Amino acid sequence: QVHLQESGPGLVKPSETLSLTCTVSRGSISSGDYYWSWIRQHPGKGLEWIGYISYSGSTFHNPSLRSRVSMSVDRSRNQFSLTLNSVTAADTAVYYCARETYTSTWQYYFDSWGQGTLVTVSS
Amino acid sequence: EIVLTQSPATLSLSPGERATLSCRASQSVDTYLAWYQQKPGQPPRILIYDASKRATAIPARFSGSGSGTDFTLTISSLEPEDFAVYYCQQRNIGLTFGGGTKVEIK
Repeated sequence: QVHLQESGPGLVKPSETLSLTCTVSRGSISSGDYYWSWIRQHPGKGLEWIGYISYSGSTFHNPSLRSRVSMSVDRSRNQFSLTLNSVTAADTAVYYCARETYTSTWQYYFDSWGQGTLVTVSS
Repeated sequence: EIVLTQSPATLSLSPGERATLSCRASQSVDTYLAWYQQKPGQPPRILIYDASKRATAIPARFSGSGSGTDFTLTISSLEPEDFAVYYCQQRNIGLTFGGGTKVEIK
């Protein structure tokens, strides 16, 4: 069963850049059958999708974050990454990486998630 | 952006009771709707996709219905492990989640 693990700093200063990496194990990120997403959850709140990247590097982001978000994929390391620029306290959240699969009828859903990593934005 | 509104925000029930959770979309999402369960300190877990199809290993007491703008997740008889927060999510236009319904023990 595929395993996803987020890694990166737990504390980022305001106005700086948040960078996280998701390492995929027991499965290949190069499979064309999946999209690889970042999702965050503010403390005590609901889920907010940030964006996804495909194995080939094509991306799609949440319009509300698009200008600050970039994603990349490193197939040689079986990893994908998130960069969020100009962070504020409002970006404090648990960040999850997740795998999105789709069916033959183009039904998409997240079938595997990392455990999540708390990122706090504070000076 | 398609907004998903879940109701009620909190559902207080006893084990063995039936839970009915609602998710309403601001515009049609066809059946591109999924439901997730999240317990404290854990990531969400897929329950239902395509509005009504159970994901692998999900017990039959979980069922989903609906299409267009109105959807329902039903738990036919609550087990102790079912007390959690439930989220709906659409993938028809962009990708958005609902605000969640907490099912708590009465």
